[in-house]
Amino acid sequence: DVKVTQSSRYLVKRTGEKVFLECVQDMDHENMFWYRQDPGLGLRLIYFSYDVKMKEKGDIPEGYSVSREKKERFSLILESASTSQTSMYLCASRLGSNQPQHFGDGTRLSIL
Amino acid sequence: QKEVEQDPGPLSVPEGAIVSLNCTYSNSAFQYFMWYRQYSRKGPELLMYTYSSGNKEDGRFTAQVDKSSKYISLFIRDSQPSDSATYLCAMSVDYKLSFGAGTTVTVRA
Repeated sequence: DVKVTQSSRYLVKRTGEKVFLECVQDMDHENMFWYRQDPGLGLRLIYFSYDVKMKEKGDIPEGYSVSREKKERFSLILESASTSQTSMYLCASRLGSNQPQHFGDGTRLSIL
Repeated sequence: QKEVEQDPGPLSVPEGAIVSLNCTYSNSAFQYFMWYRQYSRKGPELLMYTYSSGNKEDGRFTAQVDKSSKYISLFIRDSQPSDSATYLCAMSVDYKLSFGAGTTVTVRA
């Protein structure tokens, strides 16, 4: 079974802090993704990476950056957290093109 | 108009009933079609994945795709209380995954 592990289930941070969300997959997947999920807005793609050190912007990249130094790990960085970034963050990975994405259990992030 | 429209629900059915979930889409470029199940406070879990028109069965679950009508469905037979969750349809072209808004299903014991 595919295992996508997000480092924290719940996180509370303050406005202006730099926040790191970590994601690790154990199936040697090429592609990794970060989404946020909000009531009424569904899942929205923030960034994705199709290979180590490669990244592409998704639909809502503003205020976020990402890092992929190793194949199995994909980090999402909130440069200066704002209350509008309070959300459920979901990491996903897939083997490659034409393969389904597999999700982690999410990090529920609250910015106070 | 959204790319993917999903019947909003919520649905409440008695145990043993057939659950029918539906999505329509507007982008004829979509190539792959998925159904995910999401329990409260968990991430989406892949249930079904298909790329061709027709039916695909996996145990109590059947996914149906009609590309000519731009319509996909998920049927759950002999529904159980453990099937109570939010179901998300999703479809993709290349890397981009477009999701429906989700339908919340409650199966009453």
